[in-house]
Amino acid sequence: QQQVKQSPQSLIVQKGGISIINCAYENTAFDYFPWYQQFPGKGPALLIAIRPDVSEKKEGRFTISFNKSAKQFSLHIMDSQPGDSATYFCAANQAGNNRKLIWGLGTSLAVNP
Amino acid sequence: DAGVIQSPRHEVTEMGQEVTLRCKPISGHDYLFWYRQTMMRGLELLIYFNNNVPIDDSGMPEDRFSAKMPNASFSTLKIQPSEPRDSAVYFCASRRDTTYGYTFGSGTRLTVV
Repeated sequence: QQQVKQSPQSLIVQKGGISIINCAYENTAFDYFPWYQQFPGKGPALLIAIRPDVSEKKEGRFTISFNKSAKQFSLHIMDSQPGDSATYFCAANQAGNNRKLIWGLGTSLAVNP
Repeated sequence: DAGVIQSPRHEVTEMGQEVTLRCKPISGHDYLFWYRQTMMRGLELLIYFNNNVPIDDSGMPEDRFSAKMPNASFSTLKIQPSEPRDSAVYFCASRRDTTYGYTFGSGTRLTVV
């Protein structure tokens, strides 16, 4: 079953706009929440990540907002640029002995010039 | 650092043939992961190793798939016999024990005809 649900599946934003991608998780035994960015023909690359004891983390134009009580986290891309056009994946790291990432299904972002 | 190196980049093979995908993780990384990516199923974890030992192979689809890690700098994923439904992009990723961030290779695009 899908433990990390990501939405929307695709997103079109105008240059300079704000892109928002949401994820919700079902298991409280997660201890790390990364976002990965994937360009065509490349592997996913770590973009930004947050731990559950922090409500927000900002790196440049990219911000993660984390709501522990709602079991939700989101990626905000401010001043979106055509170069941000890519597929974005949220994930959650399973705590405990079997530490592995549980992935969302991805969001295809297109930023129009 | 050359990153995670995968070979070949592209593989086209006929149904029933054996396919071997190769991965060289980043030196010093303790964990190695094999993923499969398709449009329909997203990123699927097939198997991962810690210090060359397989930890979780629950994602390996069936007995036709096998993976080995004979040493810290090399891993293989083998499909025998291959089937058209195995067509996908296969990624290898690695990380250190002390961090959470994965580094992905550029992937192998497998087409089984």
